[in-house]
Amino acid sequence: SFDLTQPPSVSVSPGQTASITCSSDSLADKYVCWYQQKPGQPPLLVIDRDNMRPSGFPERFSGSNSGKTATLTISETQALDEADYYCQTWDASHVVFGGGTKLTVL
Amino acid sequence: VQLEESGGGLVQPGRSLRLSCAASGFIFDDYALHWVRQAPGKGLEWVSGISWNSGTIGYADSVKGRFTISRDNAKNSLYLEMNSLRPEDTALYYCAKDLYSTPMTLGSWGQGTLVTVSS
Repeated sequence: SFDLTQPPSVSVSPGQTASITCSSDSLADKYVCWYQQKPGQPPLLVIDRDNMRPSGFPERFSGSNSGKTATLTISETQALDEADYYCQTWDASHVVFGGGTKLTVL
Repeated sequence: VQLEESGGGLVQPGRSLRLSCAASGFIFDDYALHWVRQAPGKGLEWVSGISWNSGTIGYADSVKGRFTISRDNAKNSLYLEMNSLRPEDTALYYCAKDLYSTPMTLGSWGQGTLVTVSS
């Protein structure tokens, strides 16, 4: 198995762009997904396969994968975007989650 | 898509518990399924996943040899048999549906069932 490393917290001002990173030595041949989790709720998929948004999800959310770092970018950040965000990938039928990043909008 | 977990509760260390997940709203045997847990105040931990036909199964190292995932496509149900439970297994256990037929992306989640392991 391998690890996905995320910063514990990221802060952003309303209307600005937030970037949350997910690092590993071996993302070049993998797809990365991102999930949003608000308190008391189950996670919600926000990005599939590096940069695919689920149907109906805001275009403000985008993703990228450079091979060692995957990035979730939230443009024009709103107060309702405040949540925990988790990256995830899979390898040989094993799913791996990052440790999660708490996004604070202040 | 609806996923409803059940079977959680308070159990003593060393005992067993069986979780169930009843699914509806999609063609059940087209998709892989997962169990994911979240300890209080902690992050997500993938527990186990199973492909559409049960041909591919994976477990986290922390549960391998103690937990068994299975599915019954005729009953639209997913199960997790948990043996030799430890206090560190205490968590909210989510059932999740993949977007694909083999374990990749967890597209839909249930509300979870709480498992507490304590004497």
